[in-house]
Amino acid sequence: SQELEQSPQSLIVQEGKNLTINCTSSKTLYGLYWYKQKYGEGLIFLMMLQKGGEEKSHEKITAKLDEKKQQSSLHITASQPSHAGIYLCGADSGGSNYKLTFGKGTLLTVNP
Amino acid sequence: GAVVSQHPSRVICKSGTSVKIECRSLDFQATTMFWYRQFPKQSLMLMATSNEGSKATYEQGVEKDKFLINHASLTLSTLTVTSAHPEDSSFYICSALRGGAGNEQFFGPGTRLTVL
Repeated sequence: SQELEQSPQSLIVQEGKNLTINCTSSKTLYGLYWYKQKYGEGLIFLMMLQKGGEEKSHEKITAKLDEKKQQSSLHITASQPSHAGIYLCGADSGGSNYKLTFGKGTLLTVNP
Repeated sequence: GAVVSQHPSRVICKSGTSVKIECRSLDFQATTMFWYRQFPKQSLMLMATSNEGSKATYEQGVEKDKFLINHASLTLSTLTVTSAHPEDSSFYICSALRGGAGNEQFFGPGTRLTVL
């Protein structure tokens, strides 16, 4: 089965600082999804990456998938308190069932 | 983005009772929905894949008689926790698969189940 390792497990940054969260897979990724979750709430879709070397940006968040399609990073520029939450990466194994396997998440705290 | 709702958002029940949780895709049809379970400070664990018009597919270790899934329409899947026990207390989240180029999964807001 596919396993996803996220690092760091938690992160505390000062408002305005940049940060990076990593997601590493034990197998080649067919699709990699990034979600944000507030504790006790549902997941908010951020981005999906499928191609090796792909990079997508939305507002101040940029996600990349490496050429080998086994590692992805999520970068936040000039962080704000609104960025605080749990960031989860999810992997699509590529089967026709579209099942996602999730990493354990990274808890981000942004101090004003 | 697409909207998925869950009802109820919170439920407290006595041990031995059954609880039904609904998952609805509000602005798209979903032939496939997924049910996840999340323990505090842990990631989401896929419980089962719900397919409209057919039986659900359960992940290894998930009791199908304990967690009954019904996907009777293209916009509604239900999860019934039968004869609930305190160890079933958890956060249950559903997602709906929207077909097309991206095959994106959109998640509901979750249901907090507490079994006394």
